[in-house]
Amino acid sequence: SYELTQPLSVSVALGQTARITCGGSNIGTKNVHWYQQKPGQAPVLVIYRDSNRPSGIPERFSASNSGKTATLTISGAQAGDEADFYCQVWYGNTGVFGGGTKLTVL
Amino acid sequence: QVQLQESGPGLVKPSETLSLTCTVSGGSISSGIYYWSWIRQPAGNGLEWIGRIYASGSTNYNPSLKSRVSISVDTSRNHFSLKLSSVTAADTARYYCARGSEGPSAKFGDAFDIWGQGTVVTVSS
Repeated sequence: SYELTQPLSVSVALGQTARITCGGSNIGTKNVHWYQQKPGQAPVLVIYRDSNRPSGIPERFSASNSGKTATLTISGAQAGDEADFYCQVWYGNTGVFGGGTKLTVL
Repeated sequence: QVQLQESGPGLVKPSETLSLTCTVSGGSISSGIYYWSWIRQPAGNGLEWIGRIYASGSTNYNPSLKSRVSISVDTSRNHFSLKLSSVTAADTARYYCARGSEGPSAKFGDAFDIWGQGTVVTVSS
């Protein structure tokens, strides 16, 4: 099986930069996707294939993937960015999600 | 635009079979590059991928649930379904259906680009 490890929580001051990591064995060789889930809502795709933003996702969301760690970066964090974030990969034909990170904007 | 809507009983008794359907609107479930997944989330916890199905009927399941899961597709009704047998309280969760795609023409790689709103299933006698 394959595991993705995320920090349980990340805090960021309003307007500052938040970084959420996703660790996995040789994750740099996989396509990593990131989802944002606000309370009571379904997850929304915010980054696909390591570093690509779907239309409608603000430019302050960016990401990278190398080696053992993928990283989601939120620049100039806003109050509305508070949410749970999940990374996801495919391990063969099995979908795998990270445990999720709660982002708090202070 | 394509929308997904889950439906099914909100309460299932222990040891019985959970059955849910995801109806696809605004597009055809038979579009070649897409697959259709079930994902669940216990209250206050993270996401767990359950399995996926292609329009051809080909399936992949989470190894941890494989012995109890069956996903089927009905292209004439533009929907796909989940059956999870021998349920216990541990299967209580919000169940989401989602669309993914793959191949060179897949706009979002193999990410889940469209999700339903989810439906809560409680396992209790």
